[in-house]
Parts: sequence; C-alpha cells; structure tokens
Amino acid sequence: EVQLVESGGGLVQPGESLRLSCAASGITFSNAWMYWVRQAPGKGLEWICRIKRKTDGGTTDYAAPVKGRFTVSRDDSKSTLYLQMDSVETEDTAVYYCARGYGGAFDMWGQGTMVAVSS
Amino acid sequence: DIVMTQTPLSSPVTLGQPASISCRSSQSLVNSDGNTYLSWLHQRPGQPPRLLIYKISNRFSGVPDRFSGSGAGTDFTLKISRVEAEDVGIYYCMQGSQIPFTFGPGTKVDIK
Repeated sequence: EVQLVESGGGLVQPGESLRLSCAASGITFSNAWMYWVRQAPGKGLEWICRIKRKTDGGTTDYAAPVKGRFTVSRDDSKSTLYLQMDSVETEDTAVYYCARGYGGAFDMWGQGTMVAVSS
Repeated sequence: DIVMTQTPLSSPVTLGQPASISCRSSQSLVNSDGNTYLSWLHQRPGQPPRLLIYKISNRFSGVPDRFSGSGAGTDFTLKISRVEAEDVGIYYCMQGSQIPFTFGPGTKVDIK
C-alpha cells in the first residue's frame, strides 16, 4: 500500500525533546524530496522543513520558527523520514504531517501525529 | 516570506451550484525555472490535506474535472463547477516557488 505513516508524537514539557518518524511504503522513498508540515489546533497549515533526496545533495531547509531547534533527516535504507525536535515550546503544539514533494506541491500526506507541549 | 491571502474565508454554497475561491500572493510566484508553483489543497475535518491542483491548473490524479485552477503571477482562482456534498471542508492555496513554502489562511466551504 502506498502510504506515509507518522509516529512519535505525544505530550512533552517545554524545553524537552521529541523525535518524530515517518515511514514510507509503496514509493521509491530515496527519490523523494520530503517535507514536514504542521497544523496547530483549529489553525491553518505551516511548512516546517524540507530535505532533498541524496542525489540532489540531501540538503535541508527550515522555517524561521524552528530553525536551530528542529532537525530533519532521512534513512533511505529504512524508507523513513525523521524530525528531531529539541527545546520544544508551547507554540510547537500541533499535528505534524510528513508529505512528499511533487512539482512544488505535496502529493502524499501522512495521517499526522499530535505533539502537545505543556507543563 | 511570501504572504498568501484567500477570499472569501467562508463560502456557503448550494449543492449543484458553482463556487470560486481567490488566492493572491504578496509577490510573483514565477520561479527562476519559469514555472509557477501554486497548488490547491482540500482538507476535510480530521483528515490530512489532499492535493487537488498543482502548478496553477494541473489537476492531480483522481481529482474530478469539476475542479479547475487558473491564474498567473500573483492572482489565482480555484473553481468548482458544480459543488457536491463531498466538497465541503477547507481549501488552501500554497506557494512552492520560494522557501519557506507558505499557505493561504484557508477558505471554509460548507453547504447552505
């Protein structure tokens, strides 16, 4: 089955760390540019970061609110995307989606994993 | 960052009637490669977004032909020729021409 499945969400306290995973199946993961997008409760969509495929350098880009705190990585041998979230803040509370890039758009989305940051 | 705006933010529609959503960007979305990376997504409650339209006017696989996209530069439109019950939800435009990618605030479409 062609799908992206996120995991790793949960309740954390401000300042703590969390690692999200996104397992891909049914696609050639190593060929994909992959993204994380989040959605705070009742709010719109916010692009967080991108990681290119290794043949395009495997480089990363981040949105300003998470730069320096979040790190995106990939393990093509496991068809898995990761998001390491450090020094989390209450504003990071959201559903986190992984998505596959497609011509400047996102053609595949996971179901999302919820991250709640609260003391 | 490119700011995306949408109008209207809420759109009550009648089944079988057309609907239209406008999206405007704070600067041109024409990329250095000549492409314009403007897409439209639809999100139902409790569901992830799904891609409808990419590069202004290209319908994604499986998207009904009642959905169409148009526009250029900074002004774009999504049209639904005849709204069906399954079309309710929130529609977002998104620009993928410049990092950071940015989304419009969303337009909520529901049935009158």
